[in-house]
Amino acid sequence: DSGVTQTPKHLITATGQRVTLRCSPRSGDLSVYWYQQSLDQGLQFLIQYYNGEERAKGNILERFSAQQFPDLHSELNLSSLELGDSALYFCASSPRGGRGSYEQYFGPGTRLTVT
Amino acid sequence: AQRVTQPEKLLSVFKGAPVELKCNYSYSGSPELFWYVQYSRQRLQLLLRHISRESIKGFTADLNKGETSFHLKKPFAQEEDSAMYYCALRGDKLIFGTGTRLQVFP
Repeated sequence: DSGVTQTPKHLITATGQRVTLRCSPRSGDLSVYWYQQSLDQGLQFLIQYYNGEERAKGNILERFSAQQFPDLHSELNLSSLELGDSALYFCASSPRGGRGSYEQYFGPGTRLTVT
Repeated sequence: AQRVTQPEKLLSVFKGAPVELKCNYSYSGSPELFWYVQYSRQRLQLLLRHISRESIKGFTADLNKGETSFHLKKPFAQEEDSAMYYCALRGDKLIFGTGTRLQVFP
């Protein structure tokens, strides 16, 4: 157990809907990262937050947004869902936000299915 | 621009055979490279990092700056090594390759 928790575990919803995925980092970790894992695209970095502020952005669609709250948990909001958004969404946390050879600890993921 | 390439989607070997999972990268600065592993139905976890020069579960990886590679090797594969392996590069951000599925048959 990495100490990173994600809810829900599974989510099935319809196209056009909006969902919110939640992540709680390990105790003491300030950085939260979101990744999308799909069969054909592999693991794609979406966005990073550090201590409440956006630190880095990857291949995140405009329909997606995220935030990190004062208690350091993070939410990933996905709107106007499309079939292609079906994927496993991982959250990871680490102690710091900059460069450094430190490990990212991954949560178990949320499996999103858009029908 | 940062890029990580794992050219093999699937690598199948028999138990006891040597394994090499390829990873090539592109980054203009000084790279930090990692291998992550994802066993079936489990979360992604760090296997090893180049800066540590360590051997984990019999796996090693050497950073070759001349060839811009960070291949993962194990001399004798075990069935429990079957998993998805991701090479990752930390430049401005951490990016992952598309992964290689390793299947080790008995």
